[in-house]
Amino acid sequence: SQQGEEDPQALSIQEGENATMNCSYKTSINNLQWYRQNSGRGLVHLILIRSNEREKHSGRLRVTLDTSKKSSSLLITASRAADTASYFCATDSYGNNRLAFGKGNQVVVIP
Amino acid sequence: DTEVTQTPKHLVMGMTNKKSLKCEQHMGHRAMYWYKQKAKKPPELMFVYSYEKLSINESVPSRFSPECPNSSLLNLHLHALQPEDSALYLCASSQGTGASTDTQYFGPGTRLTVL
Repeated sequence: SQQGEEDPQALSIQEGENATMNCSYKTSINNLQWYRQNSGRGLVHLILIRSNEREKHSGRLRVTLDTSKKSSSLLITASRAADTASYFCATDSYGNNRLAFGKGNQVVVIP
Repeated sequence: DTEVTQTPKHLVMGMTNKKSLKCEQHMGHRAMYWYKQKAKKPPELMFVYSYEKLSINESVPSRFSPECPNSSLLNLHLHALQPEDSALYLCASSQGTGASTDTQYFGPGTRLTVL
């Protein structure tokens, strides 16, 4: 099955700075999604980018997708303490309801 | 209502116990999922129900038994678990149309400890 892999896996930044995390995957995808998970809680969907899109914005989030390199990045601008969480990318193939999650990035925003 | 609820929040059980995890959604979603998540790891898919029928079983041991009584409910029956089964169990749902924009909504999870 496909597996996204993020790099770096741990990031500690000051409030107000930007946070960038990456994700790579191995096979063709239908779309790529990013989820956030606060400690010990469920995942929250952040943004979805389709395979034919290269960049997408949602509020302070910017996602890029490079299908030729099989990679994606998530940028959080002007970070806040509330952005402290783990961030996972997840890849999806056509219509099989099966998401493959990457290893995740732990982001700590220091007030 | 865009919420997926899970009960109980925490569960401690012995290896000989039988227990059940419950999940409920009222968004009209037709796909429901069980995931297992160990600490500092990504969620691992266990089962997928599509239109109340089991469509994916990711080679999960038979001590985990899923059940989908109706389109809003999903259960996970547990029996003779091992300590290594201790984890956060997440339920999710999605529209289930198979469309490329089908995103999943997650519940808060059940923290399971097997003694």
